[in-house]
Amino acid sequence: GDSVTQMEGPVTLSEEAFLTINCTYTATGYPSLFWYVQYPGEGLQLLLKATKADDKGSNKGFEATYRKETTSFHLEKGSVQVSDSAVYFCALSPSISSGSARQLTFGSGTQLTVLP
Amino acid sequence: SAVISQKPSRDICQRGTSLTIQCQVDSQVTMMFWYRQQPGQSLTLIATANQGSEATYESGFVIDKFPISRPNLTFSTLTVSNMSPEDSSIYLCSVDTGLNGYTFGSGTRLTVV
Repeated sequence: GDSVTQMEGPVTLSEEAFLTINCTYTATGYPSLFWYVQYPGEGLQLLLKATKADDKGSNKGFEATYRKETTSFHLEKGSVQVSDSAVYFCALSPSISSGSARQLTFGSGTQLTVLP
Repeated sequence: SAVISQKPSRDICQRGTSLTIQCQVDSQVTMMFWYRQQPGQSLTLIATANQGSEATYESGFVIDKFPISRPNLTFSTLTVSNMSPEDSSIYLCSVDTGLNGYTFGSGTRLTVV
């Protein structure tokens, strides 16, 4: 079945540092890929998404590129802020052609703490 | 995108009791999903709920423990039955907007004592 493997946390960075959170996936066909963010005490918010190979999702300075050849969707940000402290989840949904139900499969989550 | 109103936002319940969580969507959606997020863990799918049919449960989840209703295309409930401390989690509903987007409710933080 589908699976998402996400870099283990927690990750602690200083403000303005470069961030990379690795995410790789296993799925048939061409799934859609997502990054969700969960701020302390809140629900999940969609951060960015990509629906086909070589697509780049971006939002709030975060970026991730859908790499079919390496089955990866790594999250990056050039300069993190204290307000980016949260848990980040990589997720996928099956391709429509797979015929599978369209629920999301999540990675384990990565806790990011940014220090001033 | 769809907006989901989920309630209650949190509750503290006695073991052996049941809690029903509600999700109201501001538009009609075919599929709704219910997830559990145990403390410090990722999200695990409990079941998928389609209007007019029984929910489809994932391995490890059963209807007697987590009965789900889906009376129309904008509403669903999840009941956590005969609760024990191991059921303490965040429960979230989600909908597929059909545009490669998923919206989540704000979650119900359940503590069983």
